Amino acid sequence: EIVLTQSPDFQSVTPKEKVTITCRASQSIGSSLHWYQQKPDQSPKLLIKYASQSISGVPSRFSGSGSGTDFTLTINSLEAEDAAVYYCHQSSREYTFGQGTKLEIK
Amino acid sequence: QVQLVQSGAEVKKPGASVKVSCKASGYTFTSYDINWVRQATGQGLEWMGWMNPDSGNTGYAQKFQGRVTMTRNTSISTAYMELSSLRSEDTAVYYCARGRRGYSFFDYWGQGTLVTVSS
Repeated sequence: EIVLTQSPDFQSVTPKEKVTITCRASQSIGSSLHWYQQKPDQSPKLLIKYASQSISGVPSRFSGSGSGTDFTLTINSLEAEDAAVYYCHQSSREYTFGQGTKLEIK
Repeated sequence: QVQLVQSGAEVKKPGASVKVSCKASGYTFTSYDINWVRQATGQGLEWMGWMNPDSGNTGYAQKFQGRVTMTRNTSISTAYMELSSLRSEDTAVYYCARGRRGYSFFDYWGQGTLVTVSS
């Protein structure tokens, strides 16, 4: 099983800050890494596919990078509505998810 | 627009089975895989398995092998996930999610179905 480890588990940030969340895979997965946002009492929403590909309708302040084992989700100029839990997800082999990163807006 | 609409909340006793449905609309049901993902309260996402609605082929996470069955009715564009031998640890919200054929990202998700296992 491919284990995905996200850091940090929790982050408290102020609006307009830049946020970086990392996801490390236990073995190389190429670019088969996707990011989701889950707000309270909602289903997850796809933010980024294949490490860095944008999704129609997702604000441009969300971007992704990385390949192999190390990946990053960046949120530029954070907004209050970005308070959520963020998950990475690999599709290289049998699917697994990271444990999640909770983002709190001060 | 693409929609996945799931069946309502369930309460089951330990040892029983539950069957959750996921009705697809807004796209060709047989052209995309349906995956099932669960989430215990306050916990992360756990993938359970996939189904190809065209062929009926399935693939289950090792943890759920022997306890989960994924089926479909193409005439009504509906996928089903049945979990048997329920225990308290199975209490969770169960989501269906659409994926591209083969391993890929999940672009649309159902609203979730809460399954509570309690004596």
